[in-house]
Amino acid sequence: SQQGEEDPQALSIQEGENATMNCSYKTSINNLQWYRQNSGRGLVHLILIRSNEREKHSGRLRVTLDTSKKSSSLLITASRAADTASYFCATVPSGNTGKLIFGQGTTLQVKP
Amino acid sequence: DARVTQTPRHKVTEMGQEVTMRCQPILGHNTVFWYRQTMMQGLELLAYFRNRAPLDDSGMPKDRFSAEMPDATLATLKIQPSEPRDSAVYFCASVRVADNTGELFFGEGSRLTVL
Repeated sequence: SQQGEEDPQALSIQEGENATMNCSYKTSINNLQWYRQNSGRGLVHLILIRSNEREKHSGRLRVTLDTSKKSSSLLITASRAADTASYFCATVPSGNTGKLIFGQGTTLQVKP
Repeated sequence: DARVTQTPRHKVTEMGQEVTMRCQPILGHNTVFWYRQTMMQGLELLAYFRNRAPLDDSGMPKDRFSAEMPDATLATLKIQPSEPRDSAVYFCASVRVADNTGELFFGEGSRLTVL
């Protein structure tokens, strides 16, 4: 069963604009992670935020976590055509030994 | 450059045939996951192992799927007999839990088509 639901399912923006993707989940978590998948490739880890953290940055990525609302957002600033990919949130439920459950993903297209 | 290696990358087979997919996790990683990805269902966790022991295979259809880790360098996922609904991309991922980063390293996937 899916733990996370991403919103929107698809997003199309111009290069240079910011892209925001949202993720909602159902149960309490140890941490939440974001992954990226280029077409036809495996997933690549982007960033992890723990349940006691509210915001985290990595380069052009900014992730927020609101455990009271069971939601997270991923912001990509100054997007580039190379950011075109699918983005997935994944959660490790509380008390679990590392089991990672993925959402359905957001497909991002960045037009040059 | 450490990576998770999956074979085969592509497999086309006929319904009823046995399919075996293999995964070599990154050396030193003690937890291995099998995921299945389809357009309709997204990424589904099929099974995962820690130190070669199965921790959870509740996502796997037990009647036709089996997953094993014969040794620390090899994980296998077998489908017997295969059905058209098994057509999907199967991903293996590994992690070393002691690193406490939580980051999964994925292989490039095995794309299975069952006719």
